[in-house]
Amino acid sequence: EAGVTQFPSHSVIEKGQTVTLRCDPISGHDNLYWYRRVMGKEIKFLLHFVKESKQDESGMPNNRFLAERTGGTYSTLKVQPAELEDSGVYFCASSQNLDYEQYFGPGTRLTVT
Amino acid sequence: AQSVTQLGSHVSVSEGALVLLRCNYSSSVPPYLFWYVQYPNQGLQLLLKYTSAATLVKGINGFEAEFKKSETSFHLTKPSAHMSDAAEYFCAVRSSNFGNEKLTFGTGTRLTIIP
Repeated sequence: EAGVTQFPSHSVIEKGQTVTLRCDPISGHDNLYWYRRVMGKEIKFLLHFVKESKQDESGMPNNRFLAERTGGTYSTLKVQPAELEDSGVYFCASSQNLDYEQYFGPGTRLTVT
Repeated sequence: AQSVTQLGSHVSVSEGALVLLRCNYSSSVPPYLFWYVQYPNQGLQLLLKYTSAATLVKGINGFEAEFKKSETSFHLTKPSAHMSDAAEYFCAVRSSNFGNEKLTFGTGTRLTIIP
């Protein structure tokens, strides 16, 4: 069974540009989460999808961040326009309903210069 | 609100020595607690979890953790460190209430093994 995959693994963009991160969850997992780790700090929750619906987006930092999950399969996280403080590692995780274990992807390292 | 404190951002132990990584949590409801490990260039991997069953939890690779409610702690231990244990370790908490599934993480502890 394939695990959670994320693309790209690393992205370097300039301030003001747009970047789209993609996450493919484990097949059959209705729950999809985005987290972010800024250098040296804790991993912080961004948002949670159940199928295609946003269950909890309380962690989204501002309206420059837009997450979608069309059809309840893969998800994208768009940052537009990117700022220096958006640099960090973005993790995606998925889980089955009623299952408390979240399976994490390898992360996307975003560097904004 | 929930929070996790991991004491020591960097811990070094000699190969064969005891590994002790500290985690204290704060939660207004009975918690579920987790330890994750991240090896270089890999994603987070679940080491072990506490979900209100036995207070001493055994995980993969010889790690275990003990839930101590009175101390609000969930420290991770391994009797004998191996070079392959070098990684970053994260403690996390979530509410045991159904539907509230987001994890709250600590800042992580980087474990170095000295040959």
